[in-house]
Amino acid sequence: DIVMTQSPDSLAVSLGERATINCRSSQSVLYSSNNKNYLAWYQHKPGQPPKVLISWASTRESGVPDRFSGSGSGTDFTLTISSLQAEDVAFYYCQQYYGTPQMFGQGTKVEIK
Amino acid sequence: QAHLVESGGGVVQPGRSLSLSCVASGFTFSSYAMFWVRQAPGKGLEWVAVISYDGSKKYYADSVKGRFTISRDNSWNTLYLQMSSLRVEDTAVYYCASPGHSGDYYYPIDWWGQGTLVTVSS
Repeated sequence: DIVMTQSPDSLAVSLGERATINCRSSQSVLYSSNNKNYLAWYQHKPGQPPKVLISWASTRESGVPDRFSGSGSGTDFTLTISSLQAEDVAFYYCQQYYGTPQMFGQGTKVEIK
Repeated sequence: QAHLVESGGGVVQPGRSLSLSCVASGFTFSSYAMFWVRQAPGKGLEWVAVISYDGSKKYYADSVKGRFTISRDNSWNTLYLQMSSLRVEDTAVYYCASPGHSGDYYYPIDWWGQGTLVTVSS
């Protein structure tokens, strides 16, 4: 199984400041035949279903504000919120969809400082 | 617009069984793989199972393997999760979900239901 580990477990950032979440996979999720990283980032707010923000490690989904960006390759990935807004308070999860079980990271709670 | 509606949640005693359903609309259900994902109270998201578009392939998380069975009826646009030998730690909101991309399941999850709560308690 490919285990996903996020850091930190939680972080508090001032409004307008940058938030950075890291995700590491226990093995590479880069598929060599198409050079794609099978890694997604989700935002999850209480009482709502999760929402995919980033797919293929760095492709922003339609309608996602451009303050959200993803980077990384192989086993190490980062989600960056360039200027934190109040509505960004949520849990964030990375997930690999390279192989089954398509495990999620343990989640990172983002709060306002 | 894809729409997924789960049902079947409730309170069940440890060791008993429960079946969840998910009715899909707004897309060609028979062309899409489907997932179950759960979230226990105060915990993170846990991938539970996936079934291929035609039902021929099924994969499970180690935590539910041998106890849960995912299935589908493409004639009725319905996904199922049969849960047996339930444990207290199976208490969670169970989400029905789809990759939002027809074909296989090596895609991120784009479509989610609202979830149904399963509580395993004596």
